[in-house]
Amino acid sequence: QKEVEQDPGPLSVPEGAIVSLNCTYSNSAFQYFMWYRQYSRKGPELLMYTYSSGNKEDGRFTAQVDKSSKYISLFIRDSQPSDSATYLCAMSGAAGNKLTFGGGTRVLVKP
Amino acid sequence: GAVVSQHPSWVICKSGTSVKIECRSLDFQATTMFWYRQFPKQSLMLMATSNEGSKATYEQGVEKDKFLINHASLTLSTLTVTSAHPEDSSFYICSPQDVYEQYFGPGTRLTVT
Repeated sequence: QKEVEQDPGPLSVPEGAIVSLNCTYSNSAFQYFMWYRQYSRKGPELLMYTYSSGNKEDGRFTAQVDKSSKYISLFIRDSQPSDSATYLCAMSGAAGNKLTFGGGTRVLVKP
Repeated sequence: GAVVSQHPSWVICKSGTSVKIECRSLDFQATTMFWYRQFPKQSLMLMATSNEGSKATYEQGVEKDKFLINHASLTLSTLTVTSAHPEDSSFYICSPQDVYEQYFGPGTRLTVT
């Protein structure tokens, strides 16, 4: 069993819909949780960074962490075709430690 | 924001040759450098971690004599794939870390023929 599980998709939604992504993990030591967006043949770019449990909102993006369930989510409101990409969750046990990535979910937003 | 460059962005080489990939942090100093490999439609796999001036620490299953990592300065790290073979064809991404935050380079696509 992988330490971090993520549905590979693809997840196809119409423009304007809410995109819902999630990851589950098994290591209870993880405390830092990140979401990255990766376009094809590009490096990942950081979208959201959350410490411990709770919600965090930034523009159209909302990240949620439920440490008791070992479950994290990313919601993208008012999705745009430019949001079409692969979304990777990542986590670590301490700031500065190496990241453990999920497998990534491919998202396609159709105009 | 932090700027990371990788060079080259795409390289094609013949089997048996060596390829060097450069990673530069342009506006910050990277105390730690992570190198990842990513196969098509797969996630990032950590290959090795290096600190400036120290030998790299390789992940299990990664051959240290094949993937040579040099982190000679706080702004430059190189990954050399020695005696490359077609199975080394992949997308290589560097990730310099500035204190606690980890940034990612744009990646280098290596194709070995």
